[in-house]
Amino acid sequence: DAKTTQPNSMESNEEEPVHLPCNHSTISGTDYIHWYRQLPSQGPEYVIHGLTSNVNNRMASLAIAEDRKSSTLILHRATLRDAAVYYCILRDHPGNQFYFGTGTSLTVIP
Amino acid sequence: NAGVTQTPKFRVLKTGQSMTLLCAQDMNHEYMYWYRQDPGMGLRLIHYSVGEGTTAKGEVPDGYNVSRLKKQNFLLGLESAAPSQTSVYFCASRTPPDFYEQYFGPGTRLTVT
Repeated sequence: DAKTTQPNSMESNEEEPVHLPCNHSTISGTDYIHWYRQLPSQGPEYVIHGLTSNVNNRMASLAIAEDRKSSTLILHRATLRDAAVYYCILRDHPGNQFYFGTGTSLTVIP
Repeated sequence: NAGVTQTPKFRVLKTGQSMTLLCAQDMNHEYMYWYRQDPGMGLRLIHYSVGEGTTAKGEVPDGYNVSRLKKQNFLLGLESAAPSQTSVYFCASRTPPDFYEQYFGPGTRLTVT
């Protein structure tokens, strides 16, 4: 069974914020939460990661629930270049294996 | 700096044939990975390596073998290809302590008929 569960698809208007949810109810105490995105015909690329606290970087923010059973990737202002499949991933400790979910396909509407 | 490269980009095999996929990285990374991605699905880990001369099994290792004779190269072998191995194969690399970021190659599309 997949370790993470995501909606298959979401839509957003350009320049609006986007909240991409992920459920990981079986997460263990030492699993990190990662988000990657994949553009068509390319390999995935790193977006953000966290363990317990909310995280911000230049690309996005990651909000992690207090019980760590869910998280949300936040794109503050969606652009057309953000249209991609976004994967919520658990990384085990000490961090050798990454477990991908099935991903959310984000469509950005001009 | 080419990053992670994969050879070949496309390949068609007949059932029972063998082939080797090559992954090369020029970033001096310790860890390397092989994933497969089937239509509409996320990536699944086949095998990985935490250093030259080491390999380990991932989620879906059956039907594949790997070797890491040189730090910069990670080879994925299919000894007897099956239609179920039709997929897109991605290689990735990273290095501690940058645990968070894997760098992916462009992928190899393999079709087994």
